[in-house]
Amino acid sequence: AQSVSQHNHHVILSEAASLELGCNYSYGGTVNLFWYVQYPGQHLQLLLKYFSGDPLVKGIKGFEAEFIKSKFSFNLRKPSVQWSDTAEYFCAVNGGNTNAGKSTFGDGTTLTVKP
Amino acid sequence: DADVTQTPRNRITKTGKRIMLECSQTKGHDRMYWYRQDPGLGLRLIYYSFDVKDINKGEISDGYSVSRQAQAKFSLSLESAIPNQTALYFCATSESAQGRAGELFFGEGSRLTVL
Repeated sequence: AQSVSQHNHHVILSEAASLELGCNYSYGGTVNLFWYVQYPGQHLQLLLKYFSGDPLVKGIKGFEAEFIKSKFSFNLRKPSVQWSDTAEYFCAVNGGNTNAGKSTFGDGTTLTVKP
Repeated sequence: DADVTQTPRNRITKTGKRIMLECSQTKGHDRMYWYRQDPGLGLRLIYYSFDVKDINKGEISDGYSVSRQAQAKFSLSLESAIPNQTALYFCATSESAQGRAGELFFGEGSRLTVL
């Protein structure tokens, strides 16, 4: 079975601060990894994804994430957050062929950016 | 227009009533999913369908049923609603191509309140 753990439930930052949200997953095989963002009152949308290749992936709005296979991690980063980044962030794992299409989500991290 | 459309967007009902949430998509994807979102619990998979003739239970299927009427339509039913089914429900779609199946495209959500 696959599982996802997000370490921070609520993060509060000031504008221009750097952001790192932790995500660890549990799955023994090949994985596809995702970060989704949910702005207040909106549906989830894809922020970035890792399928294969370069473990450092870049997404929309200046976000990036690094896949570290040895640590089973896929942490999300942004050098300088903005007030508009206030949202809930979900890490998700989709485990290879067996579980292809069945994504497991973390519990989410609520990010509040103070202006 | 949204690629994944859910109706109704909001519904308040009473315990014991039958409720149907509908989802339609114009993305041409084979795979469709129903997720439930509760605060602090992330998203949990209720049912998923990889094509019209394929229906599978997710991790929390008890109390729910689904119908895949066509490639583009996937409905979720609560046969006898109970208060702990109060939640935000999301329909999602994905491609079936290997390596891309995990990327989900979400509808705008259906907020259900069971009194």
